[in-house]
Amino acid sequence: AQTVTQSQPEMSVQEAETVTLSCTYDTSESDYYLFWYKQPPSRQMILVIRQEAYKQQNATENRFSVNFQKAAKSFSLKISDSQLGDAAMYFCAYRSAMTQGGSEKLVFGKGTKLTVNP
Amino acid sequence: DTEVTQTPKHLVMGMTNKKSLKCEQHMGHRAMYWYKQKAKKPPELMFVYSYEKLSINESVPSRFSPECPNSSLLNLHLHALQPEDSALYLCASSLLFGQGINQPQHFGDGTRLSIL
Repeated sequence: AQTVTQSQPEMSVQEAETVTLSCTYDTSESDYYLFWYKQPPSRQMILVIRQEAYKQQNATENRFSVNFQKAAKSFSLKISDSQLGDAAMYFCAYRSAMTQGGSEKLVFGKGTKLTVNP
Repeated sequence: DTEVTQTPKHLVMGMTNKKSLKCEQHMGHRAMYWYKQKAKKPPELMFVYSYEKLSINESVPSRFSPECPNSSLLNLHLHALQPEDSALYLCASSLLFGQGINQPQHFGDGTRLSIL
């Protein structure tokens, strides 16, 4: 079974600074997808960024980028120019690319609570 | 604004009550999901519907009964719940199911459920 580990329960960053959230995962599969979701106090889970394992290029979405190291099974999220609205719980998630039943299951890490200080 | 709409946003019910949670999406997604989330924990998958048929039941107690009347609507019927069932219930949907295509899940705002 796949597992996702987020080793930082809480992180803090100054507004306008850069912060990196770590995520490692364990899988025997070669094809899969990785996601970062953000959950602010408003409760909605919002997709921040996604990465396909077969792509070597790291995904980027505006101020958000990932450092995907497939061999090391690492998928960290970098937030540049942090804003107050970035404060939230961040979940790293894994999904198999298999076409068998159950491939839509998302395996979540325990989350990292990010605080942004003004 | 979320594209997955959940109602009600808050629900307080007694252990003998019967209530239902509703989830609606109009994005043409054919996979829909129910998750349970306890405070400061990640979401836990409960059920998955694909093309209006139940495809995954994560050994959820029978006091939770899902229903997918059509491709846009997902219900969760609640009966005889326990205090430990108090949680945030999240609905999600995605475009395709089981085809190895990276279509992410889109989540609603959730229903905060409290069992007295």
